[in-house]
Parts: sequence; C-alpha cells; structure tokens
Amino acid sequence: DQQVKQNSPSLSVQEGRISILNCDYTNSMFDYFLWYKKYPAEGPTFLISISSIKDKNEDGRFTVFLNKSAKHLSLHIVPSQPGDSAVYFCAASKAGNTPLVFGKGTRLSVIA
Amino acid sequence: GAVVSQHPSRVICKSGTSVKIECRSLDFQATTMFWYRQFPKQSLMLMATSNEGSKATYEQGVEKDKFLINHASLTLSTLTVTSAHPEDSSFYICSASLAGGSRLFFGEGSRLTVL
Repeated sequence: DQQVKQNSPSLSVQEGRISILNCDYTNSMFDYFLWYKKYPAEGPTFLISISSIKDKNEDGRFTVFLNKSAKHLSLHIVPSQPGDSAVYFCAASKAGNTPLVFGKGTRLSVIA
Repeated sequence: GAVVSQHPSRVICKSGTSVKIECRSLDFQATTMFWYRQFPKQSLMLMATSNEGSKATYEQGVEKDKFLINHASLTLSTLTVTSAHPEDSSFYICSASLAGGSRLFFGEGSRLTVL
C-alpha cells in the first residue's frame, strides 16, 4: 500500500513559468512533509518542508502548500530554471524520529 | 545542515562476493541511521533502521542475513551485501537525522553493480 503518491512521473515546463508538483498521502498520522530534489547517481538533497500545523511555507522560488483535509500537498517553483531539472520526491513522516516514506518521484524538465 | 558521507560511491563486483558500504555522519552524532534502496525509476524504499549499539530493524521483505548492518559508533553505520547477486544491483543510500528531528540528511549514495 503506497502511503505517499506522486501520480505524475514526469513534467515539462518552459523556463520562467511555474512548475507545480503534486503529492497525495493516505496516512492521517503523517504530520511533517518534505520535498527532496535528486540528480542522477546522487543522494537526495533537502529542498523545503512543512509541518501539519501550517498550510504554506515559502523559501525563495519554492513554496509548499498543504491541504490536510484533502491529504494533498504541492510544490510550486516560480520562476522555473533549467537547473531545476531533476527528480523531485515528496516524503512524509510521523512524529518523532521515524523514517521518511517517499513517493515515487516526479521528473521535472525545465526547457530553455 | 548536517553532512552525511557515504563510501564507495560506485562499486562493481562479481556475483557471490560481499560488498561493504560505509555511511558516516561528519559533523553530528547519529544514534539512528536509515538505509534506503532505489531501483531505476522507483521510489526510495526503506530497507532498515540502524541503531547505534543494537540490532538493526529490517523492513518486511528485506533479508537481514543478506544485508548486514552494523552501527558500531555514533558516526558510522555499515551495510554489507553478502553473496551479492545481479538482482542486488541498485542504488543504496544512507541517511541520518539530528536528534529529535524529522529532516533526513542523505549520503551521496552508492551504486552497486553485480556482474
């Protein structure tokens, strides 16, 4: 049973436009959500996170929105840049030092 | 942020041999480290939770006798793939978090290819 779902395996966006990556989860016990960016043959790097007590967190060009009632979160990147091209993983965890549960990832391609 | 280093980044071995992958927390102590595996175009799947000074906790379907985990110190966890087979070829990634934190810091990953 996949608890974290990223239903779009890939996304192509023009440079300068907005990229929106979506993520759904099923476990209502999750209370902390993260987005990681991953280049081929490298470990994931942390991008941005959000706690369940918030519905929005912004960091520069990256904004994460959380809709708890819909069990849905999204990552907005604006403006998108070619260097943003990577695989983006959505992850979730429960309270405490518990391991993260990852989605399958969405490959973002930003076209110049 | 905290730094996690993994070694080797790439290893090719013959079928039947054993391979050891090291994961170190460079600037913090990690009582718990997590080992993930990623097959091509798949998600990061948790293999096991490594606890310093005690036995690792393995996820369902992961053979503990095949994937030996040793967390001998607060800065080092090792994963040994014993009697490796081609189906063990994958990208193995370790991670750790700061005490009480939920954000995971990942190593660079180790790509294992078993011929």
